[in-house]
Amino acid sequence: GNSVTQMEGPVTLSEEAFLTINCTYTATGYPSLFWYVQYPGEGLQLLLKATKADDKGSNKGFEATYRKETTSFHLEKGSVQVSDSAVYFCALRVNTGFQKLVFGTGTRLLVSP
Amino acid sequence: GAGVSQSPRYKVTKRGQDVALRCDPISGHVSLYWYRQALGQGPEFLTYFNYEAQQDKSGLPNDRFSAERPEGSISTLTIQRTEQRDSAMYRCASSLAEVNTEAFFGQGTRLTVV
Repeated sequence: GNSVTQMEGPVTLSEEAFLTINCTYTATGYPSLFWYVQYPGEGLQLLLKATKADDKGSNKGFEATYRKETTSFHLEKGSVQVSDSAVYFCALRVNTGFQKLVFGTGTRLLVSP
Repeated sequence: GAGVSQSPRYKVTKRGQDVALRCDPISGHVSLYWYRQALGQGPEFLTYFNYEAQQDKSGLPNDRFSAERPEGSISTLTIQRTEQRDSAMYRCASSLAEVNTEAFFGQGTRLTVV
């Protein structure tokens, strides 16, 4: 079946630290991969995506590279800010049709000044 | 509207009561999705509509759960005879087309069954 595994949180960092949130997946076929972010009190927002192997998604200083050989899509940011504090969800969509997303359990990021 | 709107934002109900959760998608969006998110978990797919047609309901946990989208716009997720295990965040999303377009999520409805 299709599944996503994320590192457990919370991840606690100081401002300007380097961030990595690990994500690995299991899928039939060739999925598209996503990172969603949920800020406090808000809905899920798409942060970035990659649709095929070796693609790099990027947005707001965050990056993730679709690694087919390791079935991974790790989220990275070189210098986090307090405003990046949120819950981050890795997700996949099997490219067989509609937008049925399979999510990981989420990783809470806490950034202190 | 500007975004996906869900109502109510919070719902507390007694066990055994029926509840109806509403989703108003972004205007013009063809596809609408319902997800359920238990505390500490990621969202799980429940069901999906393309226009007014329910295309997939494989994620609905049992026959107490149903959804409709009669005019291809607003959707209602109904839970009959609620149980405590139904307590969760219920999330709705919509997308412009059926495939290869971004899904936009609403803020969700937090359901608590007491």
